[in-house]
Parts: sequence; C-alpha cells; structure tokens
Amino acid sequence: DAGVIQSPRHEVTEMGQEVTLRCKPISGHNSLFWYRQTMMRGLELLIYFNNNVPIDDSGMPEDRFSAKMPNASFSTLKIQPSEPRDSAVYFCASSLGDRGPYEQYFGPGTRLTVT
Amino acid sequence: AQSVTQLGSHVSVSEGALVLLRCNYSSSVPPYLFWYVQYPNQGLQLLLKYTSAATLVKGINGFEAEFKKSETSFHLTKPSAHMSDAAEYFCAVSAKTGANNLFFGTGTRLTVIP
Repeated sequence: DAGVIQSPRHEVTEMGQEVTLRCKPISGHNSLFWYRQTMMRGLELLIYFNNNVPIDDSGMPEDRFSAKMPNASFSTLKIQPSEPRDSAVYFCASSLGDRGPYEQYFGPGTRLTVT
Repeated sequence: AQSVTQLGSHVSVSEGALVLLRCNYSSSVPPYLFWYVQYPNQGLQLLLKYTSAATLVKGINGFEAEFKKSETSFHLTKPSAHMSDAAEYFCAVSAKTGANNLFFGTGTRLTVIP
C-alpha cells in the first residue's frame, strides 16, 4: 500500500492567494483527518470525516478554511485568502473508523509558507 | 472526555541509557492508547498501541509501553537509547465507543547525547 498521499509537499504563496492542499487516504479507510502543526500550537485537529461526511469541524480556525471529501479516495483543504499566520505543516491521516482501535496513519505533510 | 498529559516537553538521555517518556491519560472508561514518533520533516508514525489484549505492549524499534490502570499511565520505555531514536514522541488516546478520533498529547522531544 502506498500509504496516505499528500500534495504538494511544499507550497509557498503570497498573502491573499488561495491555497489548496490535497490528500488521498489509504484504500479501504473510511475516516480522514486534517491536522495542522506549528511550533507555537503543536498538533491541532482541524476537521475529520467519516464515510465522506464531516463529523467535527470545530478545529477549523476561521471561515477562510474549508475542507471537502467528494469521494472515499480524495479530500481537499482550502485556505482562501491565505495569511502569513497560516504558515504551518498540514497533515492528513486516515483510519478504519468503523471499528477500534482507530489507529491513524499519517501522510508526509504539506509545508505551507505564506509570505 | 479523553485526554492525555505528557510530562516533560524535552528529555535528554545518553546513548545506551534507558529511555522513559511519560504519559498519563484521562478517560471515564478504559481507552485505546497509542504512541507515535515523528522524525524531522516527516509525518507521525505509529510506534505501538494498547487495545486491552495485554498490559505490556511491544512496538517497533525496541520500544515498549505498559498500561497501568491504577496509575492511569502509559509510559514509553526503551532499555538502551540509540542516536536514531532522537525524535518527537506523541501519546494519544481514543474512546472504545462513540467518536473515533484521537486526542494527542503535546509531545516530548527526545535528544540522545553521544
């Protein structure tokens, strides 16, 4: 199995631009999670989906952030407009969410820099 | 609600010395527990997990953790540290029923001194 795939691995953009991060979960996994990691705030859960349905988006920082999961093999996290404080590493993870123990498998992350 | 507390954001050990990373959990019922490792510029990788089958859990790279219900702890140990163990380690907890997300600790950065 290829594991969780994220693209791009690095993104540098200017403030005000739209940024789209992409994730392909492990085949057969039905739960998908988006995290953000920074030195100041550590690892934060932004949103997660079960069976393509958003379950908890309370971690999404503002309306500038949105996430979609149109099918079981693809999800996007969009930031519009981006701001320098959005600079972070964004991780996607997937798991078999319908039975425990729910261990998550992480992708390599996307390092976002907003200038 | 589930949560974990990792004691010590930074731990330094000499090469060959015992590694002990502490994790205490809070849960109303026995949970699932996990340790993850993150090497520089990589995603988190599962080290081991506790699912109630056995209280002493062995993981990859010589690590193990013991579930102690009386102490609500799940500390991570390794008898002899290697330079390659230098990384950040995260403890995590999830409920056995209901929501299937994990709650992560704040992480412990392990430094191995040659």
